[in-house]
Amino acid sequence: GAVVSQHPSWVICKSGTSVKIECRSLDFQATTMFWYRQFPKQSLMLMATSNEGSKATYEQGVEKDKFLINHASLTLSTLTVTSAHPEDSSFYICSARLTANYGYTFGSGTRLTVV
Amino acid sequence: AQKVTQAQTEISVVEKEDVTLDCVYETRDTTYYLFWYKQPPSGELVFLIRRNSFDEQNEISGRYSWNFQKSTSSFNFTITASQVVDSAVYFCALSGIDGGATNKLIFGTGTLLAVQP
Repeated sequence: GAVVSQHPSWVICKSGTSVKIECRSLDFQATTMFWYRQFPKQSLMLMATSNEGSKATYEQGVEKDKFLINHASLTLSTLTVTSAHPEDSSFYICSARLTANYGYTFGSGTRLTVV
Repeated sequence: AQKVTQAQTEISVVEKEDVTLDCVYETRDTTYYLFWYKQPPSGELVFLIRRNSFDEQNEISGRYSWNFQKSTSSFNFTITASQVVDSAVYFCALSGIDGGATNKLIFGTGTLLAVQP
């Protein structure tokens, strides 16, 4: 139970284009979703917290206009990297906290390469 | 502010050796959760353990054991008789308890464990 499905697993896009990453909670309702970014050989850095039906909360230093987060339903949160550049190439992973047992469940991650 | 430090960036051991991964944390919360995750090359995060700050008992699960020392703010992870399949990046993480679903999970810097055959 408590599965988060993340798509796509990997994507290659041209510089200047936008890419959308989706995370769906399959068997539970996720009122809150967390988005992380991980550069090679580095830790997972929290980018933003997305809340269903309201604006996302971004961590310091994360550009709101570049990383658009939408959480329109209790089962879907999306991250759109707008006008992507090579420096945005990274591993993006979403997560939801399980209120039942205070654990966290993670998507399988999206490896983004901007060329 | 919350912070998790894993001082060991990389560790290399030979199969069957025991290895301990260190984790030190900082938090102003009086109650919190500590976690360990394994991240193999595929990138997916594999949950290993969650420990409530109320519970300082050490835990053993097969070849894995965890030592929680609240006095030194440490939550170390030991793998006994390591195997090649244990090779991965291991993350220690911290979250608050209050706040329900909105509590953030803060990750440490990670330790890359390489187990040589």
